[in-house]
Amino acid sequence: DIQMTQSPSSLSASVGDRVTITCRASQGISHYLAWYQQKPGKVPKFLISAASTLQSGVPSRFSGSVSGTDFSLIISSLQPEDVATYYCQKYNSAPFTFGGGTKVEIK
Amino acid sequence: EVQLLESGGGLVQPGGSLRLSCAASGFTFSNYAMNWVRQAPGKGLEWVSVISGRGGNTFYADSVKGRFTISRDNSKNTLYLEMNSLRAEDTAVYYCAKAQGTMTIYYDMDVWGQGTTVTVSS
Repeated sequence: DIQMTQSPSSLSASVGDRVTITCRASQGISHYLAWYQQKPGKVPKFLISAASTLQSGVPSRFSGSVSGTDFSLIISSLQPEDVATYYCQKYNSAPFTFGGGTKVEIK
Repeated sequence: EVQLLESGGGLVQPGGSLRLSCAASGFTFSNYAMNWVRQAPGKGLEWVSVISGRGGNTFYADSVKGRFTISRDNSKNTLYLEMNSLRAEDTAVYYCAKAQGTMTIYYDMDVWGQGTTVTVSS
């Protein structure tokens, strides 16, 4: 099975900072990569589809990119409401594995 | 409005069984694959299973294969997860989630339910 390695597992950054979260697939998955945001005590929210397609209503400070098997979620200017855990997920083939998650906090 | 509502969670002894349900509304249920995802206390998300729109294709995580069965009743707009031989490590919040697109199972998940809690303990 393809493994999804997400890094870092946690980060602390200041309001306004640029934040990058990385997800590496152990094999090629083309663009079949999604990003989700889960705020404390809440249901996961779908952020980005197909590696870089922002979902409706998601602030434009969020973006996604891909280079080979390395995927990135970028928050261009971190806001207090972005405190959450972020997960990547592959869906090119089953199992639809999630990354381990990245907990984002405000410094 | 697209909505998913899980039910059926509860406390069960190790080795026991439980059936979860997910009632869907606001979309043409039979057109979309559906997934189950779980989250153990304080842990990350774990994909559990997927079923195609018509129910003909199913896949499972290795951790539940042979013990869990996903199914759906498109006439009732309802998704199910039959869980047998439950273990302590199956304790989690179980979410149902709708595939974003139609025609195949190979989609991300655009709508999630609120989750139902399963606790496996003696």
